Amino acid sequence: AQSVTQLGSHVSVSEGALVLLRCNYSSSVPPYLFWYVQYPNQGLQLLLKYTSAATLVKGINGFEAEFKKSETSFHLTKPSAHMSDAAEYFCAVWEGGDDKIIFGKGTRLHILP
Amino acid sequence: EPEVTQTPSHQVTQMGQEVILRCVPISNHLYFYWYRQILGQKVEFLVSFYNNEISEKSEIFDDQFSVERPDGSNFTLKIRSTKLEDSAMYFCASSQNSGRNTQYFGPGTRLTVL
Repeated sequence: AQSVTQLGSHVSVSEGALVLLRCNYSSSVPPYLFWYVQYPNQGLQLLLKYTSAATLVKGINGFEAEFKKSETSFHLTKPSAHMSDAAEYFCAVWEGGDDKIIFGKGTRLHILP
Repeated sequence: EPEVTQTPSHQVTQMGQEVILRCVPISNHLYFYWYRQILGQKVEFLVSFYNNEISEKSEIFDDQFSVERPDGSNFTLKIRSTKLEDSAMYFCASSQNSGRNTQYFGPGTRLTVL
């Protein structure tokens, strides 16, 4: 069965610093992986997705994620944090064979001035 | 850019009342979904809908819930007799194809059951 684990419910970084949000997945078949962002009082916006093409995926707003099969990880990074990046980030997985995607518990990113 | 819309943005209801949450998916999409997010918790799948029938549902989606596509554009979630624990943000999503395609989410309806 597929599942997603996000390490750290809250992450704080200084403005301009590297952002690293961790996600590990469990899947019996090659998965599709997603990162969604939720800004305060808003819906879910797709940041990027991995669909078994390039292992390094670039998304919107300068974010990228690297699929590492050996580590079953799909960590989200951004070289330089901006105040506007403060939001909740959800890692999600789709395994195939059904329609739903499974979300992690989310990581709230705080940006320190 | 096309987007999923949801109405209302907020709904307050009394326990035991029926509520209908409305969604307009992206026009050329064929698969429709409802998810919910209880405050402080993760987003959970409720149901998927394709070709005018439910294709998959979670254990949360019991007999109190139903979905419908009453016309060519709307997709609704009905909760027959709301309970306090139904208070949550409800997200509608749509995709062109099954899960391998990106699911695009609406802004959500915040349901508060008193």
